[in-house]
Amino acid sequence: AQSVAQPEDQVNVAEGNPLTVKCTYSVSGNPYLFWYVQYPNRGLQFLLKYITGDNLVKGSYGFEAEFNKSQTSFHLKKPSALVSDSALYFCAVREEGPYIFGTGTRLKVLA
Amino acid sequence: DTGVSQDPRHKITKRGQNVTFRCDPISEHNRLYWYRQTLGQGPEFLTYFQNEAQLEKSRLLSDRFSAERPKGSFSTLEIQRTEQGDSAMYLCASSLGWSGVGYGYTFGSGTRLTVV
Repeated sequence: AQSVAQPEDQVNVAEGNPLTVKCTYSVSGNPYLFWYVQYPNRGLQFLLKYITGDNLVKGSYGFEAEFNKSQTSFHLKKPSALVSDSALYFCAVREEGPYIFGTGTRLKVLA
Repeated sequence: DTGVSQDPRHKITKRGQNVTFRCDPISEHNRLYWYRQTLGQGPEFLTYFQNEAQLEKSRLLSDRFSAERPKGSFSTLEIQRTEQGDSAMYLCASSLGWSGVGYGYTFGSGTRLTVV
């Protein structure tokens, strides 16, 4: 069965510093991996995806993610955090059928 | 409007009452998904449709829950005899069909249900 894990409930980072939000996954076949962001009282917004190809995927708002097959990880990164990046971030995996989401990581960027 | 619309945004109901939510997907998307999100948790899959066919239902979807997508356009999610444990945000999303396995979903803003 497919699953994802987000080991950190919350990540705090100072504005201007690089950020990393961790995600590990488990699938039996080839993974399709996604990151979504959720702002208060809003639906989830698509950030980026990994399907195949380059292990470094670039997405919206300056975010990128690195796929590491040997470590079964898909960590979300950004070189320089903004206060406006503060939100709830979800990693998701999709093998067949619908997404399975992680429990989310709350990112707080401190001014 | 090019997004996914959900109605109502908020619903407060008394325990034991029935409620119905509506989702209007992006018009060219043939897949429609329902998820439930409780505080501090990630979205949990409930069910999804391809066109008007309901292809999969989660074990979370008890007999009190029913979803329809007549004519493959909008969808409704009905909860009968609501319980306090049904209080959650109900999210709808749409996407292109199976060939879109790599495509992201487009989510609506959700319907927040509070059962008192």
